[in-house]
Amino acid sequence: QVQLQESGPGLVKPSETLSLTCAVPAYSISSGYYWGWIRQPPGKGLEWIGSISHSGTTYYNPSLKSRVTISVDTSKNQVSLTLRFVTAADTAVYYCARHLAYASRTDYWGQGTLVTVSS
Amino acid sequence: QSALTQPASVSGSPGQSITISCTGTSSDIGAYNYVSWYQQHPGKAPKLMIYEVSNRPSGVSDRFSGSKSGNTASLTISGLQAEDEADYYCSSYTNSPTPNWVFGGGTKLTVL
Repeated sequence: QVQLQESGPGLVKPSETLSLTCAVPAYSISSGYYWGWIRQPPGKGLEWIGSISHSGTTYYNPSLKSRVTISVDTSKNQVSLTLRFVTAADTAVYYCARHLAYASRTDYWGQGTLVTVSS
Repeated sequence: QSALTQPASVSGSPGQSITISCTGTSSDIGAYNYVSWYQQHPGKAPKLMIYEVSNRPSGVSDRFSGSKSGNTASLTISGLQAEDEADYYCSSYTNSPTPNWVFGGGTKLTVL
């Protein structure tokens, strides 16, 4: 069973940077698979933010690309998400998930972490 | 506005079958067999129910099945049970304009 654990601040001020990490304690993220970030505003649907392959290749949602960076820290076995210049529209539950190429077989998800953008 | 179009809600009685549609374009659903379906209960993370159009992950009931025709994918749930009541989301890979992953807006399934 692969567990994913998101963590980070629950409150971020407008125009500042949102930073989250996703720890994967029982699986080496450099061994394979893709690692994605997906978010869900309160009461709304899912939106893909971006993904990173085990080799470090990144793919981003075109609508967020200018503000997003996803990276891997193999020494800590975790995936990081950075979203810059946040607004209230970025308030959402943020999930990390494991998937295969072409966004296929997203079989493991974290429990999600709520990030609120407010002053 | 979501890239893929789903009905906002569907309903059915226990034991019945229902189908949820997911309409995309020739750049996503119509071009690739990388359609997935997710079930989400309130306050929970999404759960993968179908991947690559019609494949079920281990542990998912065979009451759930997926199919695709042209630019539209479908999820069918047979023998509806109370625990099937949830939100369902479809997703598809697309390479337009860049490698990308799009979701539907979600469908609320009510078991009457």
